Amino acid sequence: QQQVKQSPQSLIVQKGGISIINCAYENTAFDYFPWYQQFPGKGPALLIAIRPDVSEKKEGRFTISFNKSAKQFSLHIMDSQPGDSATYFCAAKLQGGSEKLVFGKGTKLTVNP
Amino acid sequence: DTEVTQTPKHLVMGMTNKKSLKCEQHMGHRAMYWYKQKAKKPPELMFVYSYEKLSINESVPSRFSPECPNSSLLNLHLHALQPEDSALYLCASSHTGLGSNEQFFGPGTRLTVL
Repeated sequence: QQQVKQSPQSLIVQKGGISIINCAYENTAFDYFPWYQQFPGKGPALLIAIRPDVSEKKEGRFTISFNKSAKQFSLHIMDSQPGDSATYFCAAKLQGGSEKLVFGKGTKLTVNP
Repeated sequence: DTEVTQTPKHLVMGMTNKKSLKCEQHMGHRAMYWYKQKAKKPPELMFVYSYEKLSINESVPSRFSPECPNSSLLNLHLHALQPEDSALYLCASSHTGLGSNEQFFGPGTRLTVL
C-alpha cells in the first residue's frame, strides 16, 4: 500500500531521443508526486512534481504525465542529453501534511553521445 | 539561500569511535530530515524533526542519535557503528504543513565504518 513501483531499473537512450520512466502506486491517499534527479556523489534534487488534479505538467524538456484512474505517472525527458545521465527517483507523499516521502527504487539513465 | 549544507563530506570511523554529522539550512524550513542511502538504492528515511521536535523515528538503531539544537541545525551522533552502516547520509529540509512538499537535500556525508 505504501509502495511506489518504478521501471525500468536502467535505461540507455541516444542523444536527442526521448527517455521515459514509469511509476505506479496503490495508495489513493498519495497527493503529491515528485521526481528527483541524483548525480553520483550528490544529493537528490527536485526536478519536477505534480498533484493528482493535473494530468500533465511540463517544465522545459521534462514532462510528468499523470493517470489518476490507473494510478500511474511517468517522466518524459525530451531531446535527452548526455548531461541528463543520472539516477531518477519517483516519489509520493501522503495527503494531510505528512512529511514522509515514499521513493521508487530508481532508474539509472545513460544518454549516449 | 536555497542550500542545505552538510559536514563533513567524508568520514571514516572505527566501530568504537564517536562522531557527529552536521546539517544546516537557512531557508526558514521547520522540518528537517535524516536519510540513509546505500549504493544503487533510494534514500531511506531515518528521522524527521518538525519544529525542533522529533516527529518520526523509523525504528533506527540507538547507535544513531539525532539532535536538533535549533531551527537551522540538525546533528546525527554516531556511536558503536557497524560496517553495514557505511552509506551516504543525507540531510533534507522543507516547510511544514499542508501544501508544503518540496524537500531540499544536502550533498550528503559519505560514511565508511571500518
